Amino acid sequence: GIQVEQSPPDLILQEGANSTLRCNFSDSVNNLQWFHQNPWGQLINLFYIPSGTKQNGRLSATTVATERYSLLYISSSQTTDSGVYFCAVEETGANNLFFGTGTRLTVIP
Amino acid sequence: EAQVTQNPRYLITVTGKKLTVTCSQNMNHEYMSWYRQDPGLGLRQIYYSMNVEVTDKGDVPEGYKVSRKEKRNFPLILESPSPNQTSLYFCASSFEGADTEAFFGQGTRLTVV
Repeated sequence: GIQVEQSPPDLILQEGANSTLRCNFSDSVNNLQWFHQNPWGQLINLFYIPSGTKQNGRLSATTVATERYSLLYISSSQTTDSGVYFCAVEETGANNLFFGTGTRLTVIP
Repeated sequence: EAQVTQNPRYLITVTGKKLTVTCSQNMNHEYMSWYRQDPGLGLRQIYYSMNVEVTDKGDVPEGYKVSRKEKRNFPLILESPSPNQTSLYFCASSFEGADTEAFFGQGTRLTVV
């Protein structure tokens, strides 16, 4: 099956700093989604981004499907950004979202 | 409010005692699925359903059953739970297939002793 790798596995930021999270995948995909799991365990869909760039407030994401990677940018980080960020892909021809193992982000005041 | 609702949120049970975790969505989505989340392993798909009466295995289906008799409901059944099924479970739905935006329930933390 498809391999989904995220980096870095852990990240600690000072409040106000910017960061870039990366997701690499091993095969062609129909779509890619970014999720945030908050400290209470809730999974929130941040972006549905099979290709191109999207922005939502302080967050933006870029997927380059031909090169098999996606980036999630967090600017001016806040403590509420803490949690685990997952990317998930649907391999072409499958009906299954494959998740990476996540990036754990801690934003300290 | 558009949402996916799971119940219960927390459950402690004993080995072998059948249990059902319910999942309901109010968005008229065709596709629903179940995942389990374990430390270091991320989320792995258990079962999915493309529509009513259409279900199929995901990556880790052993020990689980599902049914899809109505479009809005997709219960997860553990006929004989074992301690290795202790996990955090998520139900998700999307409009049409895994290639559309997914919405997740709040999660069910299951402990089997």
